[in-house]
Amino acid sequence: AQRVTQPEKLLSVFKGAPVELKCNYSYSGSPELFWYVQYSRQRLQLLLRHISRESIKGFTADLNKGETSFHLKKPFAQEEDSAMYYCALSGQAGTALIFGKGTTLSVSS
Amino acid sequence: DVKVTQSSRYLVKRTGEKVFLECVQDMDHENMFWYRQDPGLGLRLIYFSYDVKMKEKGDIPEGYSVSREKKERFSLILESASTNQTSMYLCASSLPGTAYGYTFGSGTRLTVV
Repeated sequence: AQRVTQPEKLLSVFKGAPVELKCNYSYSGSPELFWYVQYSRQRLQLLLRHISRESIKGFTADLNKGETSFHLKKPFAQEEDSAMYYCALSGQAGTALIFGKGTTLSVSS
Repeated sequence: DVKVTQSSRYLVKRTGEKVFLECVQDMDHENMFWYRQDPGLGLRLIYFSYDVKMKEKGDIPEGYSVSREKKERFSLILESASTNQTSMYLCASSLPGTAYGYTFGSGTRLTVV
């Protein structure tokens, strides 16, 4: 079965500290993985996709097929990074994105 | 700049009412989706559609139906609203294939009393 697990409901860090939001997935094939972010009172938006290998707002994520993980990282957290983050998996064609339960990131000064 | 529009931001309906949630996208996307978002449960897929007049059940279709008569519009219908359907409903659209991300609407907060 396809599944996405985000083990932390809430992650609280201080400004300038490193951040790692964990995401593990279960899928037998080669998945497409995404991170979405929802800032307060804003719509859910795509943050990054693993196939792009890009860095958005200082965030990066590396797909580790051996550990079936796609953790989101940022070396120095900013207060404006406070938001809800969802990891999502796209499996076989004809199926929709499967989302994790989300992690709330709180960055304080 | 808005690309996926959900007709209502807030709705309050009574138990037993038939409720229509509308979603329109202007990006000519083939795929459209309805999710509900609940604290601690994340996003759960209700229905999706890969083409006009096509629909597929998601993980929690019970109590819901959908309609897609035109490519740009995807409607979610609650046949007889119940209090456990109180939730945030999110509509999304995407290009075909698995590599593309979704564009989401701003959501409809539905309260059933």
